[in-house]
Amino acid sequence: DTGVSQDPRHKITKRGQNVTFRCDPISEHNRLYWYRQTLGQGPEFLTYFQNEAQLEKSRLLSDRFSAERPKGSFSTLEIQRTEQGDSAMYLCASSLLSGGSYYEQYFGPGTRLTVT
Amino acid sequence: AQTVTQSQPEMSVQEAETVTLSCTYDTSENNYYLFWYKQPPSRQMILVIRQEAYKQQNATENRFSVNFQKAAKSFSLKISDSQLGDTAMYFCAFMKWGSGKLSFGAGTTVTVRA
Repeated sequence: DTGVSQDPRHKITKRGQNVTFRCDPISEHNRLYWYRQTLGQGPEFLTYFQNEAQLEKSRLLSDRFSAERPKGSFSTLEIQRTEQGDSAMYLCASSLLSGGSYYEQYFGPGTRLTVT
Repeated sequence: AQTVTQSQPEMSVQEAETVTLSCTYDTSENNYYLFWYKQPPSRQMILVIRQEAYKQQNATENRFSVNFQKAAKSFSLKISDSQLGDTAMYFCAFMKWGSGKLSFGAGTTVTVRA
């Protein structure tokens, strides 16, 4: 399967713990996006990378959140000192920027985080 | 900032019938894209159809078609000949031209009844 993959698929953690999620994009894709989706809602943009550069961060991304994309391949999203409000599905998507203005985003299956 | 509004939380349709989902958006941009994404239960989101704002012709993909009204900032999705596999949550989304960021509506859950 050559789609976007995310690991883990489910994570249960206690409040105050740190968690890290991983996203592996489609291999030739140079853009990678993180979204957060709470139950019954649409995804909300968190941040995106072009290669290894983080180009934009949402105001939703508090200081407890950090994302990296070393070497422009996989990406990690870390949440420090988790809070119950962080419980959500974290979606990753990737796309190929090839000189045009439109880039279709392909989504991964998501990581469901539950903070107890 | 762009906002996307889907006013129908749930829709139910009989198999083989047609259902139309509503979406309105607010933007000051002139060049943008609009999308409908499908998220089946416990499965990942996939693109159903996209519309470029500069195109007057409504996009069509097999049984899926849109009615794009730029002046009214309206972008509805019609699913014709509904199939059981169409059961999913459908999200309307907006992307500013040249940006990678998608802004989603809250979604409409579509249930196709046998």
